[in-house]
Amino acid sequence: EDQVTQSPEALRLQEGESSSLNCSYTVSGLRGLFWYRQDPGKGPEFLFTLYSAGEEKEKERLKATLTKKESFLHITAPKPEDSATYLCAVHGTGFQKLVFGTGTRLLVSP
Amino acid sequence: KAGVTQTPRYLIKTRGQQVTLSCSPISGHRSVSWYQQTPGQGLQFLFEYFSETQRNKGNFPGRFSGRQFSNSRSEMNVSTLELGDSALYLCASSLTASSTDTQYFGPGTRLTVL
Repeated sequence: EDQVTQSPEALRLQEGESSSLNCSYTVSGLRGLFWYRQDPGKGPEFLFTLYSAGEEKEKERLKATLTKKESFLHITAPKPEDSATYLCAVHGTGFQKLVFGTGTRLLVSP
Repeated sequence: KAGVTQTPRYLIKTRGQQVTLSCSPISGHRSVSWYQQTPGQGLQFLFEYFSETQRNKGNFPGRFSGRQFSNSRSEMNVSTLELGDSALYLCASSLTASSTDTQYFGPGTRLTVL
């Protein structure tokens, strides 16, 4: 069965303390892996799309990487405004829908 | 370019009533997907429409239905509301229905069923 698992469920960091969020997936034929950021009460905001193992994308303090079984979202020197839930989703050839993980709640304290 | 818009943003209904939610995709996008988000279940896929045709449907009861119009705007309807239908309903649009297309989400409609 196609699955997406994100870890940790919650992460508390001090401002400037770098860390990584994990998204592991089981899918038959990855077509795309997507990272979103979601603030409370709002819709997910698109961050990155990764298509193949070895691909990396960066945006400000965020960097997403992809292997054949997992993706990492690296957060370098986070700021309080990076506090949000980060969602990972995959689209595979075996299913015609986007499957989401349950997210990682990130809290960055000043 | 304007993003995905959803109306209404908040809705309070009672059990047994029905509700219709609306979604306007990003200009030029022809695919619209709907999701239900709850604290316990996360984001669950409801259905996807492309060129006025439902392409895929999630594992939800028949009380949940939708449609897409020729201008790509979409509506979803929930009949005979239950307490468990309380959730954030999210609409997402993409350029085509390709699995490699990025989906862009609207702000959601918060539905509360009393």
